[in-house]
Amino acid sequence: QLQLQDSGPGLVRPSETLSLTCTVSGGSISSSSYYWGWIRQPPGKGLEWIGSIYYSGSPYYNASLKSRVTISVDTSRSQFSLRLSSVTAADTAIYFCAREVIGATEGVYYFDYWGQGALVTVSS
Amino acid sequence: QSVLTQPPSTSGTPGQRVTISCSGGISNIGSNTVNWYQQFPGTAPKLLLFNNNERPSGVPDRFSGSKSGTSASLVISGLQSDDEAEYHCAAWDDSLNGQVFGGGTKLSVL
Repeated sequence: QLQLQDSGPGLVRPSETLSLTCTVSGGSISSSSYYWGWIRQPPGKGLEWIGSIYYSGSPYYNASLKSRVTISVDTSRSQFSLRLSSVTAADTAIYFCAREVIGATEGVYYFDYWGQGALVTVSS
Repeated sequence: QSVLTQPPSTSGTPGQRVTISCSGGISNIGSNTVNWYQQFPGTAPKLLLFNNNERPSGVPDRFSGSKSGTSASLVISGLQSDDEAEYHCAAWDDSLNGQVFGGGTKLSVL
């Protein structure tokens, strides 16, 4: 059974960089059928996709966050990571990592496995 | 402000049929398939339906979905108390070149 485990500091100071890592176990991060993504959920609000990356390292990002986001992958460690720079209180959220299925049929994209989520609070 | 629009809340009684709507546009629901996620408080979302109406293994057939034009619906038949959760719709958006979500609908079972 595939498992994703997100980890990282729970508190980040304003203007600093948020860093999270997702470790994949029970399956290969190098599978050609999937991307690996980050999604966040501010307290009491809906989900927001941040970005995704292929195992070979081709990331794509939410345009609204693109200037501050970097997603990378380390296949040797079965991990992918998120860095979000210049954070503010608006970046306080639960951050989820997830496996993104790219369906064989055009237009089919969905997240089928999710990490448990990591609460990150931006505060001085 | 979410790209896809869902009602913030809805409710039903056990055994009832409940429908949750999700409205979008040409670039997302109008062009791509819709997915639904179920989320209980304090837990990660779980994939409930993908490709408009396909159920992952283990999801009861009480859950079904449909899509018409730029709108989609999640239907829960034979409502049960443990269906009380938040439901999120999502789709790929060709204009934004990424996945977009609805704001979520909190379902209460009275």
